[in-house]
Amino acid sequence: GAVVSQHPSWVICKSGTSVKIECRSLDFQATTMFWYRQFPKQSLMLMATSNEGSKATYEQGVEKDKFLINHASLTLSTLTVTSAHPEDSSFYICSARAASGGYQETQYFGPGTRLLVL
Amino acid sequence: RKEVEQDPGPFNVPEGATVAFNCTYSNSASQSFFWYRQDCRKEPKLLMSVYSSGNEDGRFTAQLNRASQYISLLIRDSKLSDSATYLCVVKGDSSYKLIFGSGTRLLVRP
Repeated sequence: GAVVSQHPSWVICKSGTSVKIECRSLDFQATTMFWYRQFPKQSLMLMATSNEGSKATYEQGVEKDKFLINHASLTLSTLTVTSAHPEDSSFYICSARAASGGYQETQYFGPGTRLLVL
Repeated sequence: RKEVEQDPGPFNVPEGATVAFNCTYSNSASQSFFWYRQDCRKEPKLLMSVYSSGNEDGRFTAQLNRASQYISLLIRDSKLSDSATYLCVVKGDSSYKLIFGSGTRLLVRP
């Protein structure tokens, strides 16, 4: 099956620093990638939809200048949390939708990145 | 009102029990429906899609009632390994966005 990786799997940083999270589709091309955030005991909340070669579409309430998304190739999207604060501590998960073929309807999730901002 | 609502549980059942989860969704134009499973501190994994005619995969049966905007998941002969959070997920009418419910936690005890 399709595999999506994320790096790093966990990160601890000081308040005010920026953190970059990578999401890669390893064995398929992904025209669309999604970024989710999950706080403890809550559901996954979609933050933004990332399309290769174009600007990301952010969900209501998500600051685009704080959460920078770059989808430079069909296999890589990055999320940068700028000037991170303790309230940004969360579980960030990406998913990728295949460009074509039988996988088209399915989103494949990465293993997630746990961010702790001190 | 949340777009996808689930009973958070937890459901605490003995091995071998049958357990059912329910979910309601608010957007009548929703087109696709899924159940995902999420283990603690892990990403969600697709358990099964849900079709209007109902579908079964081994011990798992999913049903959809479009008129009532209601989705269910039945697990028969529960195993210890079924302990997890089950997420009801709905895909909208014209986008690829997935809307997740908050999940129902299942604990299967020996």
